[in-house]
Amino acid sequence: GAGVSQSPSNKVTEKGKDVELRCDPISGHTALYWYRQRLGQGLEFLIYFQGNSAPDKSGLPSDRFSAERTGESVSTLTIQRTQQEDSAVYLCASSSGPLAYNEQFFGPGTRLTVL
Amino acid sequence: AQKVTQAQTEISVVEKEDVTLDCVYETRDTTYYLFWYKQPPSGELVFLIRRNSFDEQNEISGRYSWNFQKSTSSFNFTITASQVVDSAVYFCALSEARGGYQKVTFGTGTKLQVIP
Repeated sequence: GAGVSQSPSNKVTEKGKDVELRCDPISGHTALYWYRQRLGQGLEFLIYFQGNSAPDKSGLPSDRFSAERTGESVSTLTIQRTQQEDSAVYLCASSSGPLAYNEQFFGPGTRLTVL
Repeated sequence: AQKVTQAQTEISVVEKEDVTLDCVYETRDTTYYLFWYKQPPSGELVFLIRRNSFDEQNEISGRYSWNFQKSTSSFNFTITASQVVDSAVYFCALSEARGGYQKVTFGTGTKLQVIP
């Protein structure tokens, strides 16, 4: 079956513009995560969706960042008024449920460059 | 608070050498899971192994082995007879249940370079 897909794979934008990143999780996976990975750094948690429950937004770095998910399908991460420090790879992952033993399946990421 | 420490930022070994990647974690929970993921140069993270907090048996899978020691809160990963294809960034992660949610904390990763 298909894995986690993300689009676009690369995005170059100018400072101050808004960008929208998309994630298609594995079908049937109720949990979806967004992470940010700056060059040579680890994974920084951004937001977590679990089914129809309220998302865990505790990792969003500022109110310029928001994310939505339609049911248990596609998610979009929106960054408004982009800044150069937003340049990073944005990774999406999904898992089959909220239990602690569920491993995450990662997408290939979207590389965002803010000029 | 939960925390995962991978103190080794980068390691270089010559092919066929053994190498151990360290992972130390902090948690107040008695039930939790530990994971290792591999991120090859292509960028996509891949799940390697999961271990629950009640199972301290070491695990071996081919050239890979994992040593879980609750007494030292460590979950170390050893690659025996390393190969160039093992070159990647390896992440250790801690997963706990939080009121119907899964809380996952990743370490900062260890970059392994295997030199031919």
